[in-house]
Amino acid sequence: DGGITQSPKYLFRKEGQNVTLSCEQNLNHDAMYWYRQDPGQGLRLIYYSQIVNDFQKGDIAEGYSVSREKKESFPLTVTSAQKNPTAFYLCASSMGHPNTGELFFGEGSRLTVL
Amino acid sequence: GNSVTQMEGPVTLSEEAFLTINCTYTATGYPSLFWYVQYPGEGLQLLLKATKADDKGSNKGFEATYRKETTSFHLEKGSVQVSDSAVYFCALCVTGGSYIPTFGRGTSLIVHP
Repeated sequence: DGGITQSPKYLFRKEGQNVTLSCEQNLNHDAMYWYRQDPGQGLRLIYYSQIVNDFQKGDIAEGYSVSREKKESFPLTVTSAQKNPTAFYLCASSMGHPNTGELFFGEGSRLTVL
Repeated sequence: GNSVTQMEGPVTLSEEAFLTINCTYTATGYPSLFWYVQYPGEGLQLLLKATKADDKGSNKGFEATYRKETTSFHLEKGSVQVSDSAVYFCALCVTGGSYIPTFGRGTSLIVHP
């Protein structure tokens, strides 16, 4: 079955450590996105990528980094520069052409900083 | 710019009650409109969509009509079930633009038996 796989589902980090969240899709989608979700704040866009080897900052990119070396993969690194990283992180993808605007989401990764 | 405004929750209903969750939008260009649903601890799933004015999206008993004159896309269901308890997000995407969806803040629905 096609879909988006995020791992790990739960992750604990000590302050000062970088962590990388994995996102893999087998939908052959061109575009991929990372969102952060905090209680009562909806979804906030961290980074997005519309083609391989290219990505753009979203609304809250500070303290995060991404790469897009393969069409299927869009890992997110939460660096020690992110002051409040505890949150639920969602990866999504969408078709490039034609782009209907519909997003397909993974199950999410919950990061807790101890 | 683009924006989506949803009614604040939580919305608390008894089983078999009628549901309305309001959603209004502002957009530059011609948006497609979406409702997504998020069950506890999971990612979002597309519930329904409409791509042009007067279109009605429907799925699993939920409906929403694209009203260009009132810039609205209200979600309705005639008889909710406990299993409908979730967070509902309204979103838009302007085709021909950057294709970056804009989401509302979400509305939590709690349905009691």
